[in-house]
Amino acid sequence: NAGVTQTPKFQVLKTGQSMTLQCAQDMNHNSMYWYRQDPGMGLRLIYYSASEGTTDKGEVPNGYNVSRLNKREFSLRLESAAPSQTSVYFCASRSTGLTGELFFGEGSRLTVL
Amino acid sequence: GQQLNQSPQSMFIQEGEDVSMNCTSSSIFNTWLWYKQDPGEGPVLLIALYKAGELTSNGRLTAQFGITRKDSFLNISASIPSDVGIYFCAGQLGTDSWGKLQFGAGTQVVVTP
Repeated sequence: NAGVTQTPKFQVLKTGQSMTLQCAQDMNHNSMYWYRQDPGMGLRLIYYSASEGTTDKGEVPNGYNVSRLNKREFSLRLESAAPSQTSVYFCASRSTGLTGELFFGEGSRLTVL
Repeated sequence: GQQLNQSPQSMFIQEGEDVSMNCTSSSIFNTWLWYKQDPGEGPVLLIALYKAGELTSNGRLTAQFGITRKDSFLNISASIPSDVGIYFCAGQLGTDSWGKLQFGAGTQVVVTP
């Protein structure tokens, strides 16, 4: 069972470089999310997509863009990376319904020098 | 900003001891969730609570949805080494299936033999 797959798992960037984090889920979920995790801060929502074709800002969207390519895939792009974006990024998906559980990927550790 | 206060921030306990952690919020939540994150992994759902006053168990884990709907606690009984990890509470404000979750900062649990 693949579940939620994120790539890459590790990445080092220089300030100003761009990159895209890829995420795919094989559970036919409608909703997908990108979170970042920082020490002492828990998980903070960057962007989410309630369904294919829609995206909305979360708590900390500045410096990021997203694309819901199709129902399976939801990518996160950093256009000009900054050291403040050094973090662990998690993609998650969720099924429809009140009991919809969030399923997380294994995370992508990004370091911006 | 983050509205959930999770405590304690970390716990060092001996194998066999019971563990208790809690989350409080300035907002009323309709759903409380408890997740565990193992090192290098994404969070995994432990227990979901949907009604005020609800008490739910999952093996050695017990969680309760506070009557005021502004708090929740998680207990782990008779801890074992594999209980090591970070435990997160999460609350959902809305009842929509794509409702955004707010996460606490996490409780780091370390179990010593």
